[in-house]
Amino acid sequence: DAGVTQTPRHEVAEKGQTIILKCEPVSGHNDLFWYRQTKIQGLELLSYFRSKSLMEDGGAFKDRFKAEMLNSSFSTLKIQPTEPKDSAVYLCASSLNTGQLYFGEGSKLTVL
Amino acid sequence: GQQVQQSPASLVLQEGENAELQCNFSTSLNSMQWFYQRPGGSLVSLFYNPSGTKHSGRLTSTTVIKERRSSLHISSSQTTDSGTYLCALVNTGYQNFYFGKGTSLTVIP
Repeated sequence: DAGVTQTPRHEVAEKGQTIILKCEPVSGHNDLFWYRQTKIQGLELLSYFRSKSLMEDGGAFKDRFKAEMLNSSFSTLKIQPTEPKDSAVYLCASSLNTGQLYFGEGSKLTVL
Repeated sequence: GQQVQQSPASLVLQEGENAELQCNFSTSLNSMQWFYQRPGGSLVSLFYNPSGTKHSGRLTSTTVIKERRSSLHISSSQTTDSGTYLCALVNTGYQNFYFGKGTSLTVIP
């Protein structure tokens, strides 16, 4: 089985641009998570979907961050407009309701 | 407050030495997962360990729910073990994952 697939692996954006990150969870998994990882803050939850329904939207990340799951095998994370402080690695993970989490390779975002 | 505390924050070992990484949690849990992350890499699952002891090569994970702790033991460390080790506890029903800040391990030859 393929693992969690994230694209792009690297993204460079100018301040104010809109970027869209993509994630394909492990086939059959019904839980999907978006995290942001920085050295200072560590892992921060952005969004959590269960069976395509949004369960958590990350509170502080609501304004410019929007995650969607149009079908069970594809999710996007849109950041609009981007700011330099958004520079981080964005990780997608999925789970089959067992409590075991599988991560993708991550998308490294640099905002100039 | 922080749900998951990892210690030590960083550790330097001579190749061949053993390491004991700790994860203590302040909330009830249904399961514990240990991850390894190379610099610039993603999180690779090492153990999914709800309770008891599990082994994988030179790695051993022990979770004691009553004592609210989990440990990761690395024996005969190698330079390739260098990286960050993260623990995550999960309340399975709600799928709420709590991550520790990680232990940064450096193994020198």
